[in-house]
Amino acid sequence: GAVVSQHPSRVICKSGTSVKIECRSLDFQATTMFWYRQFPKQSLMLMATSNEGSKATYEQGVEKDKFLINHASLTLSTLTVTSAHPEDSSFYICSANPLAGMTDTQYFGPGTRLTVL
Amino acid sequence: KQEVTQIPAALSVPEGENLVLNCSFTDSAIYNLQWFRQDPGKGLTSLLLIQSSQREQTSGRLNASLDKSSGRSTLYIAASQPGDSATYLCAAAGQNFVFGPGTRLSVLP
Repeated sequence: GAVVSQHPSRVICKSGTSVKIECRSLDFQATTMFWYRQFPKQSLMLMATSNEGSKATYEQGVEKDKFLINHASLTLSTLTVTSAHPEDSSFYICSANPLAGMTDTQYFGPGTRLTVL
Repeated sequence: KQEVTQIPAALSVPEGENLVLNCSFTDSAIYNLQWFRQDPGKGLTSLLLIQSSQREQTSGRLNASLDKSSGRSTLYIAASQPGDSATYLCAAAGQNFVFGPGTRLSVLP
């Protein structure tokens, strides 16, 4: 089956630093990837839609200058949390949608737990 | 290792019917159980979140229940409408976040 990986699985960083999270589709190409985050005891919420070769679309309330998304290839999207602060500590998950015409199914990565000290 | 399944895989009903979607999970050590809606080509939309200490949650025509001991959750949709047509996913949040394969719902006018 389709596999999506995320790296790193866990990261602890100091306040003010930037953290990059990678999302890779290992055995399929994805024109669209999605980034989600989950704060403790809250629902997983969509942050942004990442489209290969174009700018990401951000959900309301998500700062595009803080959460930089780069979808440079059909198998890789990166989320960079710039100048991270403790309130950015969260669980970040990506999902990948295979090329159009194949399926609407999304395949999810295992998630990245970010802790900002 | 947590495994999440959903039954049925697909469902087609006439408008106005009440319906139940089922979600089962193997590891009861979860923090919460979440239900999502997925429209084609779109990201997930969160519908309901049930904390592990809760039995059910309601939002409008949606009601979700959780029985941790039996590893089951159900999503009840009352008076279904064509706009409810989508894929519905449940996810068990524990040490890992594990999604079910989804139920594809079609509500016919």
